[in-house]
Amino acid sequence: EVELLESGGGLVQPGGYVRLSCGGSGITSDSNAMSWVRQAPGKGLEWVSAISGSGISTWCADAVKGRFSISRDHSKNTVHLQMTSLRAEDTAVYYCARLSGPYSNSSTRYFDSWGQGTLVTVSS
Amino acid sequence: DIQMTQSPSSLSASVGDRITITCRASQSISTSLNWYQQISGRAPRLLISAASNLQSGVPSRFSGGGSGTDFTLTISSLQPEDFATYYCQQSHSPPPTFGQGTKVEIK
Repeated sequence: EVELLESGGGLVQPGGYVRLSCGGSGITSDSNAMSWVRQAPGKGLEWVSAISGSGISTWCADAVKGRFSISRDHSKNTVHLQMTSLRAEDTAVYYCARLSGPYSNSSTRYFDSWGQGTLVTVSS
Repeated sequence: DIQMTQSPSSLSASVGDRITITCRASQSISTSLNWYQQISGRAPRLLISAASNLQSGVPSRFSGGGSGTDFTLTISSLQPEDFATYYCQQSHSPPPTFGQGTKVEIK
């Protein structure tokens, strides 16, 4: 069974930064891209960012482009989301999610395993 | 980006009822449509991929169908553990986008 565990959330001031981490058994494979999906309080799901199995290619939603960056550490089986210039509208639960295969493939661009989520609150 | 629209936004039903949720894409996505279940306070769970492929461990009372722009998720006999919010997601073109969700409540 795939397990994913996020950490790093908390209260951050507007304009601040935070680094989220995701670890677990689901990150060991080079075949699966990894992603972050967020959910604002009482709202729906929004894809944020993805990274290829190799860690070479990354993708970000327009809403966070230039502010968020995703990375992957194969030696530690972790994926990180570096979030900078945070805004109130970035307040959300951030889920680490594994794609079923490569992000570039439409037949695998869906999320087969999810972590429990970590809450990021942007407020002064 | 491809827009996904679900209907209804919420519905009330009883245990044993058959329910259908609809998801419509703003352009044709073939069968690149996936369904998730989210119980309140928990992470989403993948139910169905590629419009109709039931994931391992998902009860057979769940089924999905459709192609092109119109898709359905059907629960043939609603059980107490099925009361949750359901999301569709298209994987046809990046970025992946979700519907707004359909909340299934107890009548």
